[in-house]
Amino acid sequence: AQSVAQPEDQVNVAEGNPLTVKCTYSVSGNPYLFWYVQYPNRGLQFLLKYITGDNLVKGSYGFEAEFNKSQTSFHLKKPSALVSDSALYFCAVSLDNTDKLIFGTGTRLQVFP
Amino acid sequence: GAVVSQHPSWVICKSGTSVKIECRSLDFQATTMFWYRQFPKQSLMLMATSNEGSKATYEQGVEKDKFLINHASLTLSTLTVTSAHPEDSSFYICSATIPGQGNEKLFFGSGTQLSVL
Repeated sequence: AQSVAQPEDQVNVAEGNPLTVKCTYSVSGNPYLFWYVQYPNRGLQFLLKYITGDNLVKGSYGFEAEFNKSQTSFHLKKPSALVSDSALYFCAVSLDNTDKLIFGTGTRLQVFP
Repeated sequence: GAVVSQHPSWVICKSGTSVKIECRSLDFQATTMFWYRQFPKQSLMLMATSNEGSKATYEQGVEKDKFLINHASLTLSTLTVTSAHPEDSSFYICSATIPGQGNEKLFFGSGTQLSVL
């Protein structure tokens, strides 16, 4: 069965510092991996995806994620955090780019001025 | 960009009553919509896949008689929580996908907070 784990409930980082939000996955085949962000009172928004190719994927708002097959991880990163990045971040996996998504439990990112 | 509208955004009901939540794709046709339930500690659980013109596909452990899903048109899916109980209180989110364009074209509604007294 597919599953996604986000080990941190919350990540705190100072503005201007790099941030990492962790995600590990478990699938029986080749994974399609996604990051979504949820701002308060808003629906989830797509950030980036990995399907194949370059392990470093660049997405919206300066975010990027690195696919690591040996560690079955897909951590979300940003070189310099902004206060406006504070939100709830979800990692998700599917077996097909149009298949249903299985989400992690979410990580709340708090960026302090 | 594409918009998914979810209504109502917040509903309070008495135990034993039924509540209907609507999910509309406003500027595209969605043959497939998804219903999720978001628990207080943040986990987003897929409840069912709603297919236009056919029966919904429910995930394991989700009571189909409890959570009735109807996808009667290409722009509307409804979730009805029947005979609601306090344990059904949760945040329900729908999503819709533009056919054939992958999960980056998965658009989410803003959610419905259901509180059952």
